[in-house]
Amino acid sequence: AQSVTQPDIHITVSEGASLELRCNYSYGATPYLFWYVQSPGQGLQLLLKYFSGDTLVQGIKGFEAEFKRSQSSFNLRKPSVHWSDAAEYFCAVVLNQAGTALIFGKGTTLSVSS
Amino acid sequence: EAGVAQSPRYKIIEKRQSVAFWCNPISGHATLYWYQQILGQGPKLLIQFQNNGVVDDSQLPKDRFSAERLKGVDSTLKIQPAKLEDSAVYLCASSFTTGQGSEQYFGPGTRLTVT
Repeated sequence: AQSVTQPDIHITVSEGASLELRCNYSYGATPYLFWYVQSPGQGLQLLLKYFSGDTLVQGIKGFEAEFKRSQSSFNLRKPSVHWSDAAEYFCAVVLNQAGTALIFGKGTTLSVSS
Repeated sequence: EAGVAQSPRYKIIEKRQSVAFWCNPISGHATLYWYQQILGQGPKLLIQFQNNGVVDDSQLPKDRFSAERLKGVDSTLKIQPAKLEDSAVYLCASSFTTGQGSEQYFGPGTRLTVT
């Protein structure tokens, strides 16, 4: 079935440690790929997006993501996590032939320990 | 620049009652989306407008949900009658164009609890 999968429901990382959040998609063609962050009581904010070209994408707040076609993955990374990064992270896609609405994964909750 | 505004922020109703949510998109944004986010899940599209016309409402439960975007600006989403499973956060988003790369800006959402 076509889907966006975020395998990790909840991750805890120590402050200052590196972070990687996983995202896999299962669609015939490579969709447009996005990562959003949702802090409690706030709306979703776009971290970064990938359409084509360089497979390593830089975003806001020090985040980056790497597109790997062979693995149908678009993992989000940050070299050093800050306590303020604690939030819920969503991977999302827009299908090239199916309009512009986002299709979201179920999200990964990030906790940061001191 | 003002963001996407939504009201109310919270609403508690009993099942079979009706409820309405309001969204004011960013000025100049032609495309408006309503998403439903059930606890523990990612947002799911309910309806998409381009100006005041519906682009996609394939996932809108039309027997109980309705939405309109009069004059191509503000939008309202209504549920009548509400069911327990409608408890969710309703997110409004807008984008400048309909291009697939056009960034969607989200409002803070309306948290609906149906008892």
